[in-house]
Amino acid sequence: KAGVTQTPRYLIKTRGQQVTLSCSPISGHRSVSWYQQTPGQGLQFLFEYFSETQRNKGNFPGRFSGRQFSNSRSEMNVSTLELGDSALYLCASSRLGESSYEQYFGPGTRLTVT
Amino acid sequence: QKEVEQDPGPLSVPEGAIVSLNCTYSNSAFQYFMWYRQYSRKGPELLMYTYSSGNKEDGRFTAQVDKSSKYISLFIRDSQPSDSATYLCAIHKGTSYGKLTFGQGTILTVHP
Repeated sequence: KAGVTQTPRYLIKTRGQQVTLSCSPISGHRSVSWYQQTPGQGLQFLFEYFSETQRNKGNFPGRFSGRQFSNSRSEMNVSTLELGDSALYLCASSRLGESSYEQYFGPGTRLTVT
Repeated sequence: QKEVEQDPGPLSVPEGAIVSLNCTYSNSAFQYFMWYRQYSRKGPELLMYTYSSGNKEDGRFTAQVDKSSKYISLFIRDSQPSDSATYLCAIHKGTSYGKLTFGQGTILTVHP
């Protein structure tokens, strides 16, 4: 069974630009969560989607947004990029809402903002 | 105070040693406890998860949870150089929502 895939794997953007990252969950998984990983703050929860609805949101500014499609694929968008947005962005999928603690991560998208 | 505290290390041990990795948490509402392993430039890989207090074993790995003291541990027996990675504890409140709260991660190096 294929794992979680994320595209692109690496991205370099300039301050003020926007970026869209994509995540395809494991087949049959309907929950998708997004996390930001930085050396200083570690892994922090951004938001979670289930059945195309955002069910939970972390403590990030409104510049960070996401969506989920009917096939469970998800995208996240960051607008007006700042230098501090440089991070590894990780997507995780889980089977059902009831077992959403059992999350499987993709390889991440490494975003560098210059 | 962070909800999950984990000593970042780094931890360096010789091959064959028993490794003990630990986390403490502050909120008794947390019910599920996970350990992830993350190699450099890779995403975290789920190693084990436990629900209740007690031990859970999987090969060379044993996860231990003590809910009364809010303390979770991962033991690695007969450690191998391939175990060199960052180990992250993560906790979940057990609701149907997917937020995992992570510790800072412990960097482990196993020397041949």
